[in-house]
Amino acid sequence: QVQLVESGGGLVKPGGSLTLSCTASGFIFDDFYISWIRQAPEKGLEWISHINNSGKTTYYTDSVKGRFTVSRDNAKNSVYLQMKSLRGADTAIYFCARQYYDGSGFRLDYWGQGTLVAVSS
Amino acid sequence: DIQMTQSPSSLSASVGDRVTITCGANESIENYLNWYQQKPGKAPKLLIFGASSLESGVPSRFSGSGSGTDFTLTLNSLQPEDFATYYCQQSYSTPWTFGQGTRVEIK
Repeated sequence: QVQLVESGGGLVKPGGSLTLSCTASGFIFDDFYISWIRQAPEKGLEWISHINNSGKTTYYTDSVKGRFTVSRDNAKNSVYLQMKSLRGADTAIYFCARQYYDGSGFRLDYWGQGTLVAVSS
Repeated sequence: DIQMTQSPSSLSASVGDRVTITCGANESIENYLNWYQQKPGKAPKLLIFGASSLESGVPSRFSGSGSGTDFTLTLNSLQPEDFATYYCQQSYSTPWTFGQGTRVEIK
């Protein structure tokens, strides 16, 4: 069965760095884009980044551009989100999700359980 | 960025009720609209894609409609397990954006 598992979250000081991992199983990993979505405490969902199946194309929302970098290692079925210059506003649960595409467009059809990133001094 | 607006922000309903949630986009997104359900402490779950297509395994009491800028998620005969927060999401253009969510609570 399709599974995505995030890891690497934790408590970090403002200005610090953290790298999240998303490890997938149960599907042909290099056939799919992977997205990162975050959810601040008691708030809604914010899509922040995706990476295409080869890893050559990435996209970032403005709030993280220049601070976050997404990459993937298809040999390890893993996607990484490197986060730098972290701020309190980055405190959230970070989810990775498989991005499925067909004639009906893109959709996030499988999600990991999320990993919590807390930015605080 | 495309802005998505859901209404209401929350609603109270009883088991067996029919519930309707609306989602509006500030520009046309054709039918590139997805709906998700999220329960507390859990990841979102895809319910509807392409505005009206039911994801595999999702009960048929869920349905979606709309195109362009106005969309609707309908829950027929609300069940206890349907009490959750529902989000719409556009996949017409990056950055993908979500509505602010609609919490469906037990009356």
